[in-house]
Amino acid sequence: DAEITQSPRHKITETGRQVTLACHQTWNHNNMFWYRQDLGHGLRLIHYSYGVHDTNKGEVSDGYSVSRSNTEDLPLTLESAASSQTSVYFCASSGTVYTEAFFGQGTRLTVV
Amino acid sequence: ELKVEQNPLFLSMQEGKNYTIYCNYSTTSDRLYWYRQDPGKSLESLFVLLSNGAVKQEGRLMASLDTKARLSTLHITAAVHDLSATYFCAVDEGGATNKLIFGTGTLLAVQP
Repeated sequence: DAEITQSPRHKITETGRQVTLACHQTWNHNNMFWYRQDLGHGLRLIHYSYGVHDTNKGEVSDGYSVSRSNTEDLPLTLESAASSQTSVYFCASSGTVYTEAFFGQGTRLTVV
Repeated sequence: ELKVEQNPLFLSMQEGKNYTIYCNYSTTSDRLYWYRQDPGKSLESLFVLLSNGAVKQEGRLMASLDTKARLSTLHITAAVHDLSATYFCAVDEGGATNKLIFGTGTLLAVQP
């Protein structure tokens, strides 16, 4: 069955370190998204991609970057981790505008 | 800029009762999605609403979309404990790809 997987599921890192969160989908979807979830804010869009070599900034993109070198993967990089980036991160993918987006299991990131 | 508001943010209800969660959004869109999230878990798609007047039902949940009023509702009939979760609506910004803007979520607690 097709799926979307994130790794690691949990990570603790130190302030100032570079961190990369992986997202891999086997749906062959063109659209991929990264969200962060914080209490009281719902899910906020960080970056998104509509295809290979395409990346776009979302509403909370400062301090984050993504790259899309193939259809399956959209890694999210925190250039220099800050305590404000402690959050749960979700990756999602979608095929068309007429279907729902499918979400990964999430990565809980703690920056100390 | 698209804004999505849900209310109530928290809902405690007794088993067997009915209630409605509201999702208002600020700009024109005719694509709206409802998701469920259990504590510590990922988001699970419930409904995809793609046109004005769309109504979808699954078990004790029914969702509807009024694009003219920019309003979607999620109605719960005869609640049971298993429905306890956080419910999110997400609105597509529009265009050719589904970039979703989420509401802050409604935490539903169904008491025996």
